[in-house]
Amino acid sequence: EVQLVQSGAEVKKPGESLKISCKGSGYSFSTHWIGWVRQMPGKGLEWMGIIYPDDSQSVYSPSFQGQVTISVDKSISTAYLEWSSLKASDTAIYYCARHPWSSTWSTFDYWGQGTLVTVSS
Amino acid sequence: DIVMTQTPLSSPVTLGQPASISCRSSQSLVHSDGNTYLSWLRQRPGQPPRLLIYKISNRVSGVPDRFSGSGAGTDFTLKISRVEAEDVGVYYCMQGTQLPFTFGPGTRVDIK
Repeated sequence: EVQLVQSGAEVKKPGESLKISCKGSGYSFSTHWIGWVRQMPGKGLEWMGIIYPDDSQSVYSPSFQGQVTISVDKSISTAYLEWSSLKASDTAIYYCARHPWSSTWSTFDYWGQGTLVTVSS
Repeated sequence: DIVMTQTPLSSPVTLGQPASISCRSSQSLVHSDGNTYLSWLRQRPGQPPRLLIYKISNRVSGVPDRFSGSGAGTDFTLKISRVEAEDVGVYYCMQGTQLPFTFGPGTRVDIK
């Protein structure tokens, strides 16, 4: 069974750094793109970026380029989303999701449970 | 970036009646490989999204056949033939053709 298990909720102050995680199991982690999606309070889904664990190739949305870092440790089947200096506007639920990318499909097929990040002074 | 729009943004429906959601893209979603990577996802309250349909009309295993997708190019439709209580949620279209991939704003489906 494919599972993506994300780290727990975080409460941080503006200017602090943060790294949240997403551990995959039940499939070949290294050979499936994995991505991150932001959902601000009461809002829709925003595509942030994806990474290919086998070679760490990553693609970011221009809206998030330079604002976050997506990384991966394939030895422990875990993807990360990192901020160096949080802002109040980063308050949101962040989802990781597997992104099969081939001629068969290009979408998010399995999702993590979400990580709530709250940034407040 | 390809902009995805959805109509309506809210759809109150009667149980057992059909529902339809339209999704439009600002550019054609036909990929150079000939495929159209348009998918539909549903998010129930308090839950992560769930993939329902990919490549316009392919239902994911376990999705009831009352859900159907259609369309081509820039215009796509998700139809629910007979709405059931469990279908309540927000439905998103998503394009996976051109980077950065993008979502529609979502359509809230609830019961009248």
